Amino acid sequence: AQSVTQLGSHVSVSEGALVLLRCNYSSSVPPYLFWYVQYPNQGLQLLLKYTTGATLVKGINGFEAEFKKSETSFHLTKPSAHMSDAAEYFCAVSKNSGNTPLVFGKGTRLSVIA
Amino acid sequence: DGGITQSPKYLFRKEGQNVTLSCEQNLNHDAMYWYRQDPGQGLRLIYYSQIVNDFQKGDIAEGYSVSREKKESFPLTVTSAQKNPTAFYLCASSPLASSTDTQYFGPGTRLTVL
Repeated sequence: AQSVTQLGSHVSVSEGALVLLRCNYSSSVPPYLFWYVQYPNQGLQLLLKYTTGATLVKGINGFEAEFKKSETSFHLTKPSAHMSDAAEYFCAVSKNSGNTPLVFGKGTRLSVIA
Repeated sequence: DGGITQSPKYLFRKEGQNVTLSCEQNLNHDAMYWYRQDPGQGLRLIYYSQIVNDFQKGDIAEGYSVSREKKESFPLTVTSAQKNPTAFYLCASSPLASSTDTQYFGPGTRLTVL
């Protein structure tokens, strides 16, 4: 069965600092991987996804993530945090075969300090 | 505007009552999903539907029921059998039920049991 572990339920960074949100997955087959962002009392919005091809994936709002099969990781980064990045971030995985729903991690809340 | 609508935004229920949460999409998506979100728990799948008149249980289906009579609608009923229904409920849809598909989320319904 697939699973997702997000290290750190809460991450706090200074404005302008590097953002690093960690995601490790467990999957018996090569996975498809997703990062979503959620602002308070709203639905989720896709930031980026990895399916096949280039392992460094660029998304919206300056975020990117790198798929590392050997480390079973898909960490999310942004070089310089902005106040508007404060939100909750979810990593999710699906199998690359069949029609299967996503399995989500428990989320990481990002705070940005001025 | 294309998108997913959920209503109501806030819902209050007395113990022992059934309530139905609405989810409508005009994206012409085949697949639709219901998730429950609790603080620190991430998103957990309740039910999903890949085609009209068919749906599958997710990880936490007990105490919930759904129907899919129309492609654009996937209502969720929270029954009195659900012992702890207070949560944020998110509906999502995807073009097909493919593992690579992006899921698009509605704005959510916050259910509170009084």
